Order: sequence, then C-alpha cells, then structure tokens
Amino acid sequence: SQQGEEDPQALSIQEGENATMNCSYKTSINNLQWYRQNSGRGLVHLILIRSNEREKHSGRLRVTLDTSKKSSSLLITASRAADTASYFCATDTGRRALTFGSGTRLQVQP
Amino acid sequence: ETGVTQTPRHLVMGMTNKKSLKCEQHLGHNAMYWYKQSAKKPLELMFVYNFKEQTENNSVPSRFSPECPNSSHLFLHLHTLQPEDSALYLCASSRLAGGRGGETQYFGPGTRLLVL
Repeated sequence: SQQGEEDPQALSIQEGENATMNCSYKTSINNLQWYRQNSGRGLVHLILIRSNEREKHSGRLRVTLDTSKKSSSLLITASRAADTASYFCATDTGRRALTFGSGTRLQVQP
Repeated sequence: ETGVTQTPRHLVMGMTNKKSLKCEQHLGHNAMYWYKQSAKKPLELMFVYNFKEQTENNSVPSRFSPECPNSSHLFLHLHTLQPEDSALYLCASSRLAGGRGGETQYFGPGTRLLVL
C-alpha cells in the first residue's frame, strides 16, 4: 500500500470556505511535502515540513505534522475557484525517492 | 514555468511504433525521474537517475527504456507498447535523489500518451 494516503479522496466546497486534507504514512520520515496538480498538468511543490516541525504556514496554506500519529494535514483557508486541483502528500524517508500518495481532488464551487 | 520541459506534450502511437519522450531541466539538478500517472491510480515512480546513474527501477516492463546522457536530459524510449500504457508521463528533477535527504521535486507538464 502507499506510504502516504490522503483523505478524503474527493472534497467539494464553496468559495470562501476552508478545505482540509489529511495524509497518513507508515514509516519514519525526514520531511513531508505537499504538491498540487491542475488537471492534466505536472505537480507543483507547495510546502515542505520537516520531521522536527509541527506547523508551517505559507500564504493561505497551513500544514501540520504529527509524527506520533504519522499524519499531516493541509488547510487551505478562504478557498478560491482557482484552488480547484488535486493535492498530494509525499514523504521523504531519506532512503529512497519521494513516495506520493493517491491524492485528494478538491473542487471549489464559485 | 518550473524549469522542466517535456516534449512532445501529446503523442498517439500504434502498438508497433517506436517513439521517445524527452525531458530537459534547466535547474542545475542532479537527479531526474520518470513517473506514470493513469486515470484513477496513484502516481507510479518508474525510474530514478542520480548523477546520470540509474538508482531505481520499479519493476518497469522492458518496453520502456530510459536513457540519461547527462544530468540535464532524460529520455524514455517506447517500443511495442500496449493500450494499458496510455497515461500521462511526468518527468521531474531534484537537487539530489533518495537516501541523501530532503529533495523537492520539480515537475514538467507531462506527455499525454495514447496507445492504439
């Protein structure tokens, strides 16, 4: 099974609402990263959180990491229609290339 | 633009054709990757190259043949593909690859491949 698994698989919200996506993983990590993918395009790196960090912010993005629960969450505040995309977490164990989860498809209704 | 380009962007080929996908990165990175993304499936890592040496091959069928002549260029040679190989093929690069800690990957826009 995937090292990182996102939850929910799909999420539909109204513009202005907050969107929360979760990622669970199995083995110890050096860092966890979140990526975004617009339909049919490449992934774009959003934010990286290291294993010794608990929370990180970047603009409207807030990422938390709980290494005891092996989980992370991505919060997008005040969502916009342009945030519609798939969001992936990726874990860096330091032993091999990044492992990506299966993604959360976010739909923001205008 | 992420600094990673891929050509062609779209490709239609028959099962007996031979074609190649090209990836180029302008970021001065040392690691390059090929991924396959099929509809409703997780992103599948195919190959990893670190300083031009292949460091990962995730049980990819031999009809996919990668080539990395230098740290800036990566090719994926395709021959006798099957319809189930139709997918979005993504190239990525990073400063270093797995085992050396903390890489962020930069992706190209992908090649949409259709095998008839």
